[in-house]
Parts: sequence; C-alpha cells; structure tokens
Amino acid sequence: QSALTQPASVSGSPGQSITISCTGTSSDVGAYSYVSWYQLHPGKAPKLMIYDVANRPSGVSNRFSGSKSGNTASLTISGLQAKDEADYYCSSYTSGITLDVVFGGGTKLTVL
Amino acid sequence: QLQLQESGPGLMKPSETLSLTCTVSGGSISSSSYYWGWIRQPPGKGLEWIGSMYSSGNTYYNPSLKSRVTISVDTSKNQFSLDVNSVTAADTAVYYCARHGGLGEFDPWGQGTLVTVSS
Repeated sequence: QSALTQPASVSGSPGQSITISCTGTSSDVGAYSYVSWYQLHPGKAPKLMIYDVANRPSGVSNRFSGSKSGNTASLTISGLQAKDEADYYCSSYTSGITLDVVFGGGTKLTVL
Repeated sequence: QLQLQESGPGLMKPSETLSLTCTVSGGSISSSSYYWGWIRQPPGKGLEWIGSMYSSGNTYYNPSLKSRVTISVDTSKNQFSLDVNSVTAADTAVYYCARHGGLGEFDPWGQGTLVTVSS
C-alpha cells in the first residue's frame, strides 16, 4: 500500500484556476470511482470537498470540481480565493483482501 | 448535524498503549449503515488511514498497523475507540476520527487530538 502521489505545492493568484493531481495505480485510483478530496486548515477539522471522483457535498462551492483519467485524479479550483489557501489531500479505496484506504501525500495551495 | 470529538492522553511514553475515544453527537453510531474510522497525521507528514469499523462491529485495519491497533465501539455511550499498543516516537501525530462511507469518503471529521510519544 503506497501513498498516492501529489505535488508538494501549487500556487495561483486570486481569480485564477489551479489543478492538483493525484496519481495512483491500477489497483486504486485507476480501478475504482472512490476518490475523495479533503481540505485541511491548521487547527480545524478536515473538510470533504469532493467524493466519488466528481461529486460535491452539500455546501461546498461549485468552484471545486473533480475528475479522473486512468490512474490520475484531479481537483480543480476555479476563481481562487484567499480562503482556499490550505493543504489538500486525495484518498482512494484500494483493492486487496479487505477494505483498505490510501491517502496522497498532500499538496500545499498558496494563493499569491 | 453529526459531530465527532476526539479525546486522549496528549503525552505518552514509549511502549505504553495509546487509547483514544471518539464521541459522536447528533446521530447514533449503531443505527446507521456507516463505518467509523481513525486517521492520523504525523508532524510535517501526510494523512494515514489507521482503520475503520462498521456499525455491526466488523473491523478493518491498515495492513502496516494491523498488529498493533484495535478499534472498538461502546454503543451505550455513542463512542468508538482506538487502541495502539507499544507506541514509539513514530506514533506521534494528530489523530482524527471520522464517519467513513466504507468504500469512499470520510465525512464529517473531528478536529483532531495531538498525541506526543516521548520519554
């Protein structure tokens, strides 16, 4: 069980769009539509932003969107705002004998 | 609105057993068809899934931690717990509890509790 691969950092200016990639294998991201994305602000509870690759929970801005192609999932944030500055993590169900979950290494988003 | 809150010792010594509790409010652990999970984040590192327990009591663990962890439930208190035995400095982390969709998402999460293992 290896962690999913994310860029360590991405940055963008207010109003711009950015995309964070999450690369796995044919045993996790590539095999299932169970990719989720989380936003972490220091000292706060992590927040679910995207589930099942591309679904937004109620209350999450439509500026956040998710997609997947092959073994790579992506989170896109459009119309960047200062409050979007946070750490973002992806996760995926991964095949095995039993239930197993793998997270990405995390990406620090800086809004310039 | 479902809320989760972790509680734990804060500071521990190597070789001790870490015991954390997650108190669930705004919904019943036993009445829902969800899993209840634990995730941790060591300082400066990424998230790591520790394990999850179905409302029926079936448990599933990260293979890398399976030999040292146990998740249990106390339905009378609407709580679930995590035990990690023989802790080392490598177990120093913020520990989160969360409702787990099973195959998919963790939502919502608790705010997390920092556990430091130091002699």
